[in-house]
Amino acid sequence: GDSVTQMEGPVTLSEEAFLTINCTYTATGYPSLFWYVQYPGEGLQLLLKATKADDKGSNKGFEATYRKETTSFHLEKGSVQVSDSAVYFCALSSPEYSSASKIIFGSGTRLSIRP
Amino acid sequence: DGGITQSPKYLFRKEGQNVTLSCEQNLNHDAMYWYRQDPGQGLRLIYYSQIVNDFQKGDIAEGYSVSREKKESFPLTVTSAQKNPTAFYLCASSPSFGEQYFGPGTRLTVT
Repeated sequence: GDSVTQMEGPVTLSEEAFLTINCTYTATGYPSLFWYVQYPGEGLQLLLKATKADDKGSNKGFEATYRKETTSFHLEKGSVQVSDSAVYFCALSSPEYSSASKIIFGSGTRLSIRP
Repeated sequence: DGGITQSPKYLFRKEGQNVTLSCEQNLNHDAMYWYRQDPGQGLRLIYYSQIVNDFQKGDIAEGYSVSREKKESFPLTVTSAQKNPTAFYLCASSPSFGEQYFGPGTRLTVT
């Protein structure tokens, strides 16, 4: 079945460091790909998305490119801030899942940024 | 303001009691979802509903029940049959084939 694999955390970086969180997927057809962020004690927020190959999603300085050839959707940010500390989830949604946009989530990567 | 509301934010119950978690959305989304999240874990799908008066079991439906009598509302009942109900519960909604939008969550503690 479809699945999402993302790098295990926790990831600890210093402020202004470069961030990469790896995400790879297995899916039939042509899924849409997402990154969600969860701050402590809160629900998930959609950070960015890409719906077809070579699309780049971007938001708040974060970017991810849909790479079909490597089945990857790695999250990057050039200079992280303490406020970026959160758990990040990679996810996919496939039109194979009938009319509901059933989403498959990765296990999450906890990111901690040191001042 | 459009969005998803879940209430209450914290809920405490004694073992053996059923408890109902509220989820309301004013985004006019067709589909709604319930997830369970345990500490340090990802999300697991409990139930989802594509239209009013219809819903399907997710990956961990045992010990839970839902109803969808109105488009805006998708309450989740945690029954006494759920063996380990203490968790963080997240509700979400989506348009058909769209991304999901999440509520703030309800933290349920059963002692």
